[in-house]
Amino acid sequence: TQLLEQSPQFLSIQEGENLTVYCNSSSVFSSLQWYRQEPGEGPVLLVTVVTGGEVKKLKRLTFQFGDARKDSSLHITAAQPGDTGLYLCAGVDTGRRALTFGSGTRLQVQP
Amino acid sequence: GAVVSQHPSWVICKSGTSVKIECRSLDFQATTMFWYRQFPKQSLMLMATSNEGSKATYEQGVEKDKFLINHASLTLSTLTVTSAHPEDSSFYICSARAAEGLWVNYGYTFGSGTRLTVV
Repeated sequence: TQLLEQSPQFLSIQEGENLTVYCNSSSVFSSLQWYRQEPGEGPVLLVTVVTGGEVKKLKRLTFQFGDARKDSSLHITAAQPGDTGLYLCAGVDTGRRALTFGSGTRLQVQP
Repeated sequence: GAVVSQHPSWVICKSGTSVKIECRSLDFQATTMFWYRQFPKQSLMLMATSNEGSKATYEQGVEKDKFLINHASLTLSTLTVTSAHPEDSSFYICSARAAEGLWVNYGYTFGSGTRLTVV
């Protein structure tokens, strides 16, 4: 079973601060996705990274896929209260075609 | 874009009864759908994978006789929790994967989830 560990598990910061969330695995994934989930709702896709070393930017969010495709990071610049939520990384297992979700990082941005 | 509709959004049932949750892909054909379970403040755990026209594949530890999955068409999958008990109370989320050749654009789309409370 492929496992994805996220760190930190919980993060509470002030508006305007920067933060980085890490997603690590001992397994190689064909691609990796980042989702954000709000209470009582399903996850919403933020980005998909496919190529080792790939960097993608989505406004204030920067996503990076590790060279070996085993890890990824999400960096948020100048966090805002609207960024509050549960951030989940998910690896795509080509064989099973199912997503394996990370343990999740709960972010709270205080105004 | 790809939309997945999940119903009901919440349900309360008595212990021992069965509950059916529907997951529909509204604007694309989903050959594969996934059912996840999420406990409070935890991540999503895959329960089973359903493929249109064939039996679902259940993850280790998930009782297939308790969580019945039917994927009778390319746009509908259902999860039935049979003889529900309080420990089955959870947030259930479905996800649809577009048919081959389409998923590059649509990827995995999630329903809005169903909050099941068994009393």
